[in-house]
Amino acid sequence: DVKVTQSSRYLVKRTGEKVFLECVQDMDHENMFWYRQDPGLGLRLIYFSYDVKMKEKGDIPEGYSVSREKKERFSLILESASTNQTSMYLCASSFPTASNQPQHFGDGTRLSIL
Amino acid sequence: DQQVKQNSPSLSVQEGRISILNCDYTNSMFDYFLWYKKYPAEGPTFLISISSIKDKNEDGRFTVFLNKSAKHLSLHIVPSQPGDSAVYFCAASDRGTYKYIFGTGTRLKVLA
Repeated sequence: DVKVTQSSRYLVKRTGEKVFLECVQDMDHENMFWYRQDPGLGLRLIYFSYDVKMKEKGDIPEGYSVSREKKERFSLILESASTNQTSMYLCASSFPTASNQPQHFGDGTRLSIL
Repeated sequence: DQQVKQNSPSLSVQEGRISILNCDYTNSMFDYFLWYKKYPAEGPTFLISISSIKDKNEDGRFTVFLNKSAKHLSLHIVPSQPGDSAVYFCAASDRGTYKYIFGTGTRLKVLA
């Protein structure tokens, strides 16, 4: 069974802090993704990575960056946290074919920015 | 611009009856569609998928129907069970990309 592990279930940070969200997968997946989930907006893609050190912007990358130094680990960085980044953050991974591969999700990190 | 739409935010169904969840899309380049189920405090779990070359895919109590001319897909759950109560997301894959576009979700409540 694929396991996608997010380092924190709940996180509270202050405005202006640099925040790191970590995600690890154990299935040797090439693709990894970061989403945020907000009520009424569904899942919106922030960034994705299709290989080590490779990344592409998703639909809402502003205020975020990512790091993929190892295949199994994908980090989301909030450079200077703001209150509008309070959200549920979901990490996912999948095999590399362009389509026909479902993504496997972690259980999410609920981040509150005060 | 919402390319994948789930117009019903919520749905209530009696146990044992059929649940029908709907999803509309606008991009004719989408070639693969999926449904995910999400319980509170958990990540979405893959449920069932369908390729654009098919119009139906069945897996146990779950069936997904695709109507390409109407750009519409639906998920049927028969019979519905209380454990099916969750938020359901549909998602579509753009041909040749790694990305999925998700709908806003429908909260299903199955009443015992």
